[in-house]
Amino acid sequence: DAGVTQSPTHLIKTRGQQVTLRCSPKSGHDTVSWYQQALGQGPQFIFQYYEEEERQRGNFPDRFSGHQFPNYSSELNVNALLLGDSALYLCASSLVFWQTNTEAFFGQGTRLTVV
Amino acid sequence: AQTVTQSQPEMSVQEAETVTLSCTYDTSENNYYLFWYKQPPSRQMILVIRQEAYKQQNATENRFSVNFQKAAKSFSLKISDSQLGDTAMYFCAFMKQSTGNQFYFGTGTSLTVIP
Repeated sequence: DAGVTQSPTHLIKTRGQQVTLRCSPKSGHDTVSWYQQALGQGPQFIFQYYEEEERQRGNFPDRFSGHQFPNYSSELNVNALLLGDSALYLCASSLVFWQTNTEAFFGQGTRLTVV
Repeated sequence: AQTVTQSQPEMSVQEAETVTLSCTYDTSENNYYLFWYKQPPSRQMILVIRQEAYKQQNATENRFSVNFQKAAKSFSLKISDSQLGDTAMYFCAFMKQSTGNQFYFGTGTSLTVIP
C-alpha cells in the first residue's frame, strides 16, 4: 500500500501565478482533506472533499479551490499567488468524513515557494 | 471556535529518559477527540496517540501515554524511555465529532533526544 502520495514534492512559483497540487489517497479511502502549514506553525484546515463535493471549508479565500475525481484523488488549486501562500501543503485521507473513529493518514506534503 | 495551545516551542531529553509535552485546548463542544501527531524531517504527520473525550481512562500506546484532564482542558503527552527516533515536531490536535476528520492543530513542540 503506497499510502497517501502527493505531487510535486517541491514547487517554486512567481507571485500572481496559479498552481495545482495533487493528492492520491490511501487505498480504500474516499475522503481527502487539505491543510496549509506555514513555517513554524501547525497545519491549518483548508477544505475537505467527499463524493466529489466540498463538504467543509476552513477560513481561506476563494483563491483556494479544489476538486475530487471519481477515483477519490484530489487537486488543490491556488490562483493569484501571494508571497504569504508559501507553505507546506499537506493532504490527508480518511474513510467517510463523518466517521471520526477512522484514522486519517497524511502525505509528505508539497513545499510551495512563491517568489 | 476551537483553539489548541502548545506552550513549549522546544524541548530536549536525554536518551532513555522521560519527557512530557504540554497541550491545552478550548472548546464548547462535549463530543470531541484529541490527538498527538509526530512530524519528523520527512514532513509526514504520523499518529502517535488518540483520546476520545468521553473516555475517562487515559490512552496509552507502548512508550507513549497521555494525561487527559477534561475539566482543565489539558492533554499532555508523556514519552518514556526516549529514543533517538523520537526526535521530531510534535503537534497536539483537536477534532469535533460533529465535523469529522477536520483537525485543529497547535503550533507544535520541537523535541530533540540527546544521545
